[in-house]
Amino acid sequence: DVKVTQSSRYLVKRTGEKVFLECVQDMDHENMFWYRQDPGLGLRLIYFSYDVKMKEKGDIPEGYSVSREKKERFSLILESASTNQTSMYLCASSLRGRGEQYFGPGTRLTVT
Amino acid sequence: GENVEQHPSTLSVQEGDSAVIKCTYSDSASNYFPWYKQELGKGPQLIIDIRSNVGEKKDQRIAVTLNKTAKHFSLHITETQPEDSAVYFCAASPNTGGFKTIFGAGTRLFVKA
Repeated sequence: DVKVTQSSRYLVKRTGEKVFLECVQDMDHENMFWYRQDPGLGLRLIYFSYDVKMKEKGDIPEGYSVSREKKERFSLILESASTNQTSMYLCASSLRGRGEQYFGPGTRLTVT
Repeated sequence: GENVEQHPSTLSVQEGDSAVIKCTYSDSASNYFPWYKQELGKGPQLIIDIRSNVGEKKDQRIAVTLNKTAKHFSLHITETQPEDSAVYFCAASPNTGGFKTIFGAGTRLFVKA
């Protein structure tokens, strides 16, 4: 079974803090994604990566950056957390050329 | 920008009844249409998908139909069970690589026992 794990299920951070969300997949997938999920808005793509050290902006990249130093790990970074970044963050991975994405359990981030 | 509209946002059915969720998409280049189920406390999981060269696909109690001309696709769940209660997302993608997959806003399905 494909497994996508996220470093935390719940996080509470203060405004202005630097926040790291980590994601690891164990199936040698080339593609990895970060989404945020908000009620009534579905899943919105923040960034994706199709290879090590490669990254592409999604639909809402402002205020976020990413890092992919190893194939199995994709990190989402909030350089200076703000209250409007309070959300559920979902990581996903997929094989190159395949549409099916495998999701992690999500990290619920609260910024106070 | 491209978008996917999903209706209804909430659906409540009696156990044993059918449930239908409908989506429309705007990008004519979309050719891959997955459906994901998200249970409480979990990430979304693919339950069925359809590609543009097929009009209908069925897997046990779940079926998906696609009308490319009208840019509509729908999820049909028959003989619903309480364990079908979850949030369902439709999505559309211009290629099977999954990049730029656009998700609908989700439908919360309640199946009453």
